[in-house]
Amino acid sequence: AQSVTQLDSQVPVFEEAPVELRCNYSSSVSVYLFWYVQYPNQGLQLLLKYLSGSTLVKGINGFEAEFNKSQTSFHLRKPSVHISDTAEYFCAVSALNRDDKIIFGKGTRLHILP
Amino acid sequence: DVKVTQSSRYLVKRTGEKVFLECVQDMDHENMFWYRQDPGLGLRLIYFSYDVKMKEKGDIPEGYSVSREKKERFSLILESASTNQTSMYLCASRGRNQQYSPLHFGNGTRLTVT
Repeated sequence: AQSVTQLDSQVPVFEEAPVELRCNYSSSVSVYLFWYVQYPNQGLQLLLKYLSGSTLVKGINGFEAEFNKSQTSFHLRKPSVHISDTAEYFCAVSALNRDDKIIFGKGTRLHILP
Repeated sequence: DVKVTQSSRYLVKRTGEKVFLECVQDMDHENMFWYRQDPGLGLRLIYFSYDVKMKEKGDIPEGYSVSREKKERFSLILESASTNQTSMYLCASRGRNQQYSPLHFGNGTRLTVT
């Protein structure tokens, strides 16, 4: 079985400050890791993904995430946030052996303060 | 680019009504999903379909059914809507055996049952 924990339901941060959104997962099988972003009144779209290889992956809009196998974490970071980053962010894992096993975290709402 | 289209952005229905939520994708994906999104609960899988006329229950199928008569179309049906089904509904698709690929989401249907 798989599970995904996003430790913070809301994160306030000042504009141009750095941000880290935390994600931990557990799984009895190998998984691929994803971060999605949901802007207000829209569906989810892919921010970045980790499949294999380098543990630091870069995504759209200046976001990056680091896969840490020993800590089973996949934290999302951005060095300087912008007001347009206001959104909800979801971490997800996809089991390698099943088409239907995609588990989402509960989401982290990022509030950008002026 | 993959496009997943949900026919309604907002719906208001009365308790006891039969409700149809429609979803169409244009990338010939075998797999289609219906999720329900509620604040603080993240995304929960209602039903999954891996081919025409093929379906599997997700984590919260009670009160819902689905129909997949054509590959590109996946419908969610609320047989008798209840107020606890007020929610955001998200449709998604992905190719078969492509666990390394992200889900492609529609923009969601916000359903209110009064």
